[in-house]
Amino acid sequence: AQSVTQPDIHITVSEGASLELRCNYSYGATPYLFWYVQSPGQGLQLLLKYFSGDTLVQGIKGFEAEFKRSQSSFNLRKPSVHWSDAAEYFCAVESSNTGKLIFGQGTTLQVKP
Amino acid sequence: GAVVSQHPSRVICKSGTSVKIECRSLDFQATTMFWYRQFPKKSLMLMATSNEGSKATYEQGVEKDKFLINHASLTLSTLTVTSAHPEDSSFYICSALPTSGSLSVAEQFFGPGTRLTVL
Repeated sequence: AQSVTQPDIHITVSEGASLELRCNYSYGATPYLFWYVQSPGQGLQLLLKYFSGDTLVQGIKGFEAEFKRSQSSFNLRKPSVHWSDAAEYFCAVESSNTGKLIFGQGTTLQVKP
Repeated sequence: GAVVSQHPSRVICKSGTSVKIECRSLDFQATTMFWYRQFPKKSLMLMATSNEGSKATYEQGVEKDKFLINHASLTLSTLTVTSAHPEDSSFYICSALPTSGSLSVAEQFFGPGTRLTVL
């Protein structure tokens, strides 16, 4: 069965520090992968997505993610976090070309001043 | 950008009553919408796929008679929680897939969610 694992439930980083959020997936075919951010009172916003091609994907707000098939990973990175990046981050895989998304458990990002 | 609204944003109801939650795509048409449930500090769980003009498709373990979904137009899907009980208390989120995009390639747009509390 398809699944997504985000090993880190909670991460705290200092403002200006680099960030990496981990995501591992289990999927039989080439996955469609997504990273979303959820802020209180707002809907999930798509940060970036990978369908095919270049394995390093650039997204909004300075985020990027790298697809590594050998490691079944799609980790999210940002070179310098801002206080406004504090939020809940979800990795997701699309199920079998259906549009249905399977989400990881989420990682709560806290940013220290 | 594409905007999806949900109404109400919060609702409190008594056990045994029914509650309707609306999901609207404000500036695009959506043949397909999805309904998710999110527990505190937990991930989103897909409940059902809502298709305009046809019956919804429910995920395994989701009671279709309890969670009634109607997708009567290309911009509106409703989720009705019937005979609600305290265990139905949760955060319900919808997403909409633009009709003009091809499935699985187009971006889904999420509503802000509805907090349901059943007393």
